[in-house]
Amino acid sequence: GNSVTQTEGPVTLSEEAFLTINCTYTATGYPSLFWYVQYPGEGLQLLLKATKADDKGSNKGFEATYRKETTSFHLEKGSVQVSDSAVYFCALSDRGNTPLVFGKGTRLSVIA
Amino acid sequence: GAVVSQHPSWVICKSGTSVKIECRSLDFQATTMFWYRQFPKQSLMLMATSNEGSKATYEQGVEKDKFLINHASLTLSTLTVTSAHPEDSSFYICSARDFRKGTGIYEQYFGPGTRLTVT
Repeated sequence: GNSVTQTEGPVTLSEEAFLTINCTYTATGYPSLFWYVQYPGEGLQLLLKATKADDKGSNKGFEATYRKETTSFHLEKGSVQVSDSAVYFCALSDRGNTPLVFGKGTRLSVIA
Repeated sequence: GAVVSQHPSWVICKSGTSVKIECRSLDFQATTMFWYRQFPKQSLMLMATSNEGSKATYEQGVEKDKFLINHASLTLSTLTVTSAHPEDSSFYICSARDFRKGTGIYEQYFGPGTRLTVT
Protein backbone atom coordinates (compact mmCIF):
# COMPACT_ATOMS: atom_id res chain seq x y z
CA GLY A 1 0.00 0.00 0.00
CA ASN A 2 0.90 3.67 -0.12
CA SER A 3 3.10 5.08 2.63
CA VAL A 4 5.06 8.18 3.59
CA THR A 5 8.22 8.38 5.67
CA GLN A 6 9.56 11.67 6.92
CA THR A 7 12.30 13.01 9.17
CA GLU A 8 11.74 12.04 12.76
CA GLY A 9 11.58 15.01 15.04
CA PRO A 10 11.90 17.02 16.96
CA VAL A 11 14.06 19.34 14.90
CA THR A 12 15.43 22.40 16.66
CA LEU A 13 17.03 25.22 14.70
CA SER A 14 18.23 28.71 15.37
CA GLU A 15 16.51 31.58 13.63
CA GLU A 16 17.76 32.12 10.05
CA ALA A 17 19.10 28.58 9.78
CA PHE A 18 18.45 26.42 6.73
CA LEU A 19 15.72 23.84 7.06
CA THR A 20 15.36 20.46 5.39
CA ILE A 21 12.71 17.95 6.33
CA ASN A 22 13.02 14.77 4.33
CA CYS A 23 10.04 12.97 2.90
CA THR A 24 10.05 9.80 0.84
CA TYR A 25 7.06 7.87 -0.35
CA THR A 26 5.93 4.53 -1.64
CA ALA A 27 3.01 4.50 -4.01
CA THR A 28 1.61 2.76 -7.01
CA GLY A 29 1.08 5.03 -9.94
CA TYR A 30 1.70 8.76 -9.85
CA PRO A 31 0.52 10.32 -6.62
CA SER A 32 0.12 13.98 -5.80
CA LEU A 33 2.31 15.14 -2.94
CA PHE A 34 1.58 17.64 -0.20
CA TRP A 35 3.10 19.34 2.79
CA TYR A 36 0.74 20.39 5.56
CA VAL A 37 1.58 22.50 8.60
CA GLN A 38 -0.08 22.37 11.99
CA TYR A 39 0.46 25.23 14.40
CA PRO A 40 -0.08 24.58 18.11
CA GLY A 41 -3.71 23.94 18.94
CA GLU A 42 -4.88 24.25 15.36
CA GLY A 43 -5.91 22.04 12.47
CA LEU A 44 -3.88 21.35 9.35
CA GLN A 45 -3.17 23.92 6.69
CA LEU A 46 -1.97 23.10 3.22
CA LEU A 47 1.52 24.54 2.84
CA LEU A 48 2.35 23.46 -0.70
CA LYS A 49 1.73 20.73 -3.20
CA ALA A 50 3.00 19.15 -6.40
CA THR A 51 0.99 17.02 -8.75
CA LYS A 52 3.58 15.59 -11.14
CA ALA A 53 7.25 14.75 -11.43
CA ASP A 54 9.67 17.72 -11.33
CA ASP A 55 6.96 20.08 -10.16
CA LYS A 56 8.11 22.47 -7.46
CA GLY A 57 5.64 23.59 -4.85
CA SER A 58 6.39 26.78 -2.96
CA ASN A 59 4.74 28.99 -0.37
CA LYS A 60 5.88 31.34 2.40
CA GLY A 61 9.53 30.70 1.56
CA PHE A 62 9.14 26.93 1.73
CA GLU A 63 9.85 24.77 -1.31
CA ALA A 64 9.63 21.11 -2.23
CA THR A 65 10.31 19.38 -5.54
CA TYR A 66 8.58 16.20 -6.64
CA ARG A 67 11.41 13.77 -7.46
CA LYS A 68 10.04 10.63 -9.04
CA GLU A 69 13.44 9.00 -9.48
CA THR A 70 14.13 9.15 -5.75
CA THR A 71 10.46 9.05 -4.68
CA SER A 72 11.05 12.10 -2.54
CA PHE A 73 9.45 15.45 -1.72
CA HIS A 74 11.83 17.12 0.72
CA LEU A 75 10.75 20.37 2.33
CA GLU A 76 13.27 23.22 2.44
CA LYS A 77 13.43 26.78 3.63
CA GLY A 78 16.48 29.00 3.38
CA SER A 79 15.99 30.99 6.57
CA VAL A 80 13.55 29.88 9.23
CA GLN A 81 11.79 32.16 11.67
CA VAL A 82 10.45 31.58 15.15
CA SER A 83 6.95 31.74 13.67
CA ASP A 84 7.73 28.64 11.59
CA SER A 85 7.67 26.52 14.73
CA ALA A 86 4.99 23.91 14.06
CA VAL A 87 4.48 20.30 13.07
CA TYR A 88 4.96 19.53 9.39
CA PHE A 89 3.26 16.60 7.69
CA CYS A 90 4.14 15.14 4.32
CA ALA A 91 1.24 13.44 2.57
CA LEU A 92 0.33 11.78 -0.67
CA SER A 93 -2.84 11.24 -2.56
CA ASP A 94 -3.31 8.81 -5.36
CA ARG A 95 -5.72 9.87 -8.05
CA GLY A 96 -8.43 7.54 -6.94
CA ASN A 97 -11.11 7.86 -4.36
CA THR A 98 -8.90 7.38 -1.30
CA PRO A 99 -7.94 9.65 1.58
CA LEU A 100 -4.56 11.28 2.08
CA VAL A 101 -1.81 9.14 3.50
CA PHE A 102 0.25 11.05 6.05
CA GLY A 103 3.74 10.74 7.40
CA LYS A 104 4.14 10.80 11.16
CA GLY A 105 4.89 14.49 11.27
CA THR A 106 8.02 16.42 12.16
CA ARG A 107 7.97 18.90 15.00
CA LEU A 108 10.08 21.96 14.26
CA SER A 109 11.15 24.39 16.95
CA VAL A 110 12.93 27.57 15.94
CA ILE A 111 14.69 29.47 18.69
CA ALA A 112 15.67 33.11 18.60
CA GLY B 1 -9.95 29.05 -0.97
CA ALA B 2 -12.02 26.19 0.33
CA VAL B 3 -13.01 26.51 3.97
CA VAL B 4 -14.01 23.80 6.37
CA SER B 5 -15.43 24.63 9.77
CA GLN B 6 -15.88 22.51 12.85
CA HIS B 7 -18.10 23.05 15.82
CA PRO B 8 -17.47 23.11 18.68
CA SER B 9 -13.79 23.94 18.79
CA TRP B 10 -13.51 22.43 22.23
CA VAL B 11 -15.84 20.55 24.51
CA ILE B 12 -15.68 19.10 27.99
CA CYS B 13 -18.17 16.42 28.89
CA LYS B 14 -18.78 13.95 31.65
CA SER B 15 -18.10 10.27 31.28
CA GLY B 16 -21.10 8.41 29.89
CA THR B 17 -22.54 11.29 27.93
CA SER B 18 -22.57 11.71 24.15
CA VAL B 19 -20.99 14.51 22.19
CA LYS B 20 -21.71 15.61 18.62
CA ILE B 21 -19.12 17.34 16.47
CA GLU B 22 -20.13 19.07 13.25
CA CYS B 23 -18.01 19.49 10.17
CA ARG B 24 -19.11 21.85 7.39
CA SER B 25 -17.70 22.72 4.02
CA LEU B 26 -18.54 26.39 3.70
CA ASP B 27 -17.96 27.23 0.07
CA PHE B 28 -17.98 23.92 -1.76
CA GLN B 29 -19.88 20.68 -1.82
CA ALA B 30 -18.11 17.65 -0.49
CA THR B 31 -19.38 14.21 -1.36
CA THR B 32 -16.65 12.78 0.82
CA MET B 33 -15.49 13.86 4.26
CA PHE B 34 -12.97 12.24 6.55
CA TRP B 35 -12.67 12.07 10.30
CA TYR B 36 -9.29 11.88 11.97
CA ARG B 37 -8.15 11.54 15.53
CA GLN B 38 -4.90 12.97 16.79
CA PHE B 39 -3.25 12.12 20.09
CA PRO B 40 -0.82 14.60 21.64
CA LYS B 41 2.37 14.93 19.62
CA GLN B 42 1.30 12.24 17.20
CA SER B 43 0.17 12.02 13.63
CA LEU B 44 -3.37 11.90 12.39
CA MET B 45 -5.16 8.59 12.53
CA LEU B 46 -7.91 8.16 9.97
CA MET B 47 -11.06 6.98 11.70
CA ALA B 48 -13.58 6.84 8.92
CA THR B 49 -14.57 7.99 5.48
CA SER B 50 -17.98 9.57 5.23
CA ASN B 51 -19.84 9.62 1.94
CA GLU B 52 -22.93 11.72 1.48
CA GLY B 53 -26.08 9.66 1.59
CA SER B 54 -24.44 6.39 2.51
CA LYS B 55 -22.93 4.63 5.47
CA ALA B 56 -19.47 5.62 6.62
CA THR B 57 -16.52 3.33 6.05
CA TYR B 58 -14.59 2.79 9.26
CA GLU B 59 -10.91 1.97 9.57
CA GLN B 60 -9.88 -1.20 11.27
CA GLY B 61 -10.03 -0.93 15.03
CA VAL B 62 -12.50 1.97 15.11
CA GLU B 63 -15.78 1.12 16.80
CA LYS B 64 -18.60 2.22 14.55
CA ASP B 65 -21.18 1.97 17.34
CA LYS B 66 -19.12 4.31 19.47
CA PHE B 67 -18.22 6.83 16.80
CA LEU B 68 -21.40 7.46 14.84
CA ILE B 69 -20.93 9.33 11.59
CA ASN B 70 -23.70 10.91 9.57
CA HIS B 71 -23.21 12.71 6.28
CA ALA B 72 -26.71 13.91 5.55
CA SER B 73 -25.89 16.65 3.07
CA LEU B 74 -23.12 17.71 0.73
CA THR B 75 -21.90 20.30 3.22
CA LEU B 76 -22.32 18.64 6.60
CA SER B 77 -20.96 15.60 8.34
CA THR B 78 -21.33 14.87 12.04
CA LEU B 79 -19.35 12.67 14.40
CA THR B 80 -21.08 11.59 17.59
CA VAL B 81 -18.97 10.08 20.33
CA THR B 82 -21.43 7.96 22.25
CA SER B 83 -21.06 7.11 25.93
CA ALA B 84 -17.77 8.95 26.05
CA HIS B 85 -15.01 7.87 28.40
CA PRO B 86 -11.75 9.56 29.39
CA GLU B 87 -9.82 7.49 26.86
CA ASP B 88 -11.87 9.14 24.11
CA SER B 89 -10.31 12.48 25.00
CA SER B 90 -8.46 13.60 21.92
CA PHE B 91 -8.25 16.13 19.12
CA TYR B 92 -10.70 15.29 16.36
CA ILE B 93 -10.15 16.76 12.92
CA CYS B 94 -12.41 16.53 9.91
CA SER B 95 -11.57 17.17 6.32
CA ALA B 96 -13.63 17.57 3.19
CA ARG B 97 -12.55 16.59 -0.27
CA ASP B 98 -13.05 18.72 -3.34
CA PHE B 99 -12.30 17.66 -6.88
CA ARG B 100 -10.37 20.36 -8.67
CA LYS B 101 -11.07 20.30 -12.38
CA GLY B 102 -8.10 22.55 -13.05
CA THR B 103 -5.58 20.13 -11.61
CA GLY B 104 -7.60 16.98 -12.05
CA ILE B 105 -6.90 15.91 -8.50
CA TYR B 106 -8.79 15.61 -5.28
CA GLU B 107 -7.72 18.07 -2.61
CA GLN B 108 -8.51 17.73 1.05
CA TYR B 109 -9.27 20.73 3.21
CA PHE B 110 -9.10 20.45 6.94
CA GLY B 111 -11.20 21.85 9.70
CA PRO B 112 -9.57 23.55 12.69
CA GLY B 113 -10.20 20.56 14.93
CA THR B 114 -12.26 19.88 18.04
CA ARG B 115 -10.59 19.18 21.35
CA LEU B 116 -12.67 16.76 23.39
CA THR B 117 -11.99 16.26 27.08
CA VAL B 118 -13.99 13.64 28.92
CA THR B 119 -13.91 13.90 32.70
